[in-house]
Amino acid sequence: KQEVTQIPAALSVPEGENLVLNCSFTDSAIYNLQWFRQDPGKGLTSLLLIQSSQREQTSGRLNASLDKSSGRSTLYIAASQPGDSATYLCAVPSNTGNQFYFGTGTSLTVIP
Amino acid sequence: DAGVIQSPRHEVTEMGQEVTLRCKPISGHDYLFWYRQTMMRGLELLIYFNNNVPIDDSGMPEDRFSAKMPNASFSTLKIQPSEPRDSAVYFCASSLAGGLRTQYFGPGTRLLVL
Repeated sequence: KQEVTQIPAALSVPEGENLVLNCSFTDSAIYNLQWFRQDPGKGLTSLLLIQSSQREQTSGRLNASLDKSSGRSTLYIAASQPGDSATYLCAVPSNTGNQFYFGTGTSLTVIP
Repeated sequence: DAGVIQSPRHEVTEMGQEVTLRCKPISGHDYLFWYRQTMMRGLELLIYFNNNVPIDDSGMPEDRFSAKMPNASFSTLKIQPSEPRDSAVYFCASSLAGGLRTQYFGPGTRLLVL
C-alpha cells in the first residue's frame, strides 16, 4: 500500500518569505500527484495536479515539482502572504487509479 | 455547479443513536468518496463508489458503518449505533475518473458523539 509522508507537520514563517513544503511517497509508480489546501473548518481544495510525465506545474505564486524516481514532491510558495495560512496536503492515486492516498499535511502559518 | 453538497454541517448526538450523513456529488461525476478526518489519524478513506456501485469498503471501521448510493446524485453514510470515538469530520468528495483527475470535496459534516 502506498504511504505518503509530509514534513514538517507545522511551519511558521514571516510574511514575504519563500517556503518549501515536502511530500514523499513509497511507490514511485504513480499516475499523478496532487496538492490540496484545507482552510480551518473547510473541505479540501485542489491547488495543482502534476501528471507523472511532468516535472513541474505552476499556478501563480505556487510551483510544484515531482521527482518520481526518488519518491518526492515539493510545493514552493513564493512571497508568502497571511492568506496562505492553511494546511497543505499532497495525495497520490492508487495503482488502479481509483482512489487517493493522502499525506498527513503541513500546517502553515504566515505571520504578518 | 454548486459543488459537492453535504448535510448536516454539524451533528451532535448521544452515544447509541443512529446518525445519517448525506452527500450530493457534482453532476456528471462518476466516482464518490467518503472520508473521515481526525487529528490523530488524518484523512482516511472509508468507502468509494463508481457509477453508484460500492467498489472498496475496506476502510469502513466496523459493521456499525454503512453507506449507500441509490442514484447518481445522492449518497448516505450511516452509523448505527454511534460511539464517542466516531467523533470526527466526515467529508464526501466526487470526481471524474477516480484518482486520475482531481477530487472535489464537500464542506464536511462535523460529528460529535457524546
